Amino acid sequence: EVQLVQSGAEVKKPGESLKISCKGSGYSFTSYWIGWVRQMPGKGLEWMGIIYPGDSDTRYRPSFQGQVTISADKSITTAYVHWNSLKASDTAMYYCARLEDDILTGYPYYFDYWGQGTLVTVSS
Amino acid sequence: EIVMTQSPATLSVSPGERATLSCRASQSVSSNLAWYQQKPGQAPRLLIYGASTRATGIPARFSGSGSGTEFTLTISSLQSEDFAVYYCQQYNKGGSFGQGTKLEIK
Repeated sequence: EVQLVQSGAEVKKPGESLKISCKGSGYSFTSYWIGWVRQMPGKGLEWMGIIYPGDSDTRYRPSFQGQVTISADKSITTAYVHWNSLKASDTAMYYCARLEDDILTGYPYYFDYWGQGTLVTVSS
Repeated sequence: EIVMTQSPATLSVSPGERATLSCRASQSVSSNLAWYQQKPGQAPRLLIYGASTRATGIPARFSGSGSGTEFTLTISSLQSEDFAVYYCQQYNKGGSFGQGTKLEIK
């Protein structure tokens, strides 16, 4: 059974750093892209970026480039998103999700399995 | 960046009736379009991919159609558990979601 289990809720102050995690199991972790999706309070879904743990190929939505760092440790089948300096506007639920991809090209497609979400609250 | 626009923002339908949700892309995404359902307090769930293929375990009352820039999600006979927010997402170039359609009980 494919499972993505995310780390617990975080409460941080502006300017602090944070790394949240997403542990995959039940499938070949290095053979599928994993992505991160932001959902601000009462708002819709935003595609942040994705990583291919097999070779660490990482792609960001332009608006998230430089704001977060996505990484993965394939030895422990875990993906991460890291902030160097949090802002109040980073307050949101963050989901990780596995991506299905093109069987021939490996091009990342849609999210087929999702984690339960990690709530990040940034407040002074 | 491809912009996805969903309509309407809110749709009120009675149980047992048909619901039709629309999604438009700012440029062609071919058939690289997925639909997700999200209930309060839950992660999204994949319903449809490839514009018209149901994901594993999704009931046949959910159907998707369209290609290029215009897409539709149809729920043929609404059940109580179908009232939720629905998002479309293109994956032809990067990935971007629509703003969502809230399907509420009339």
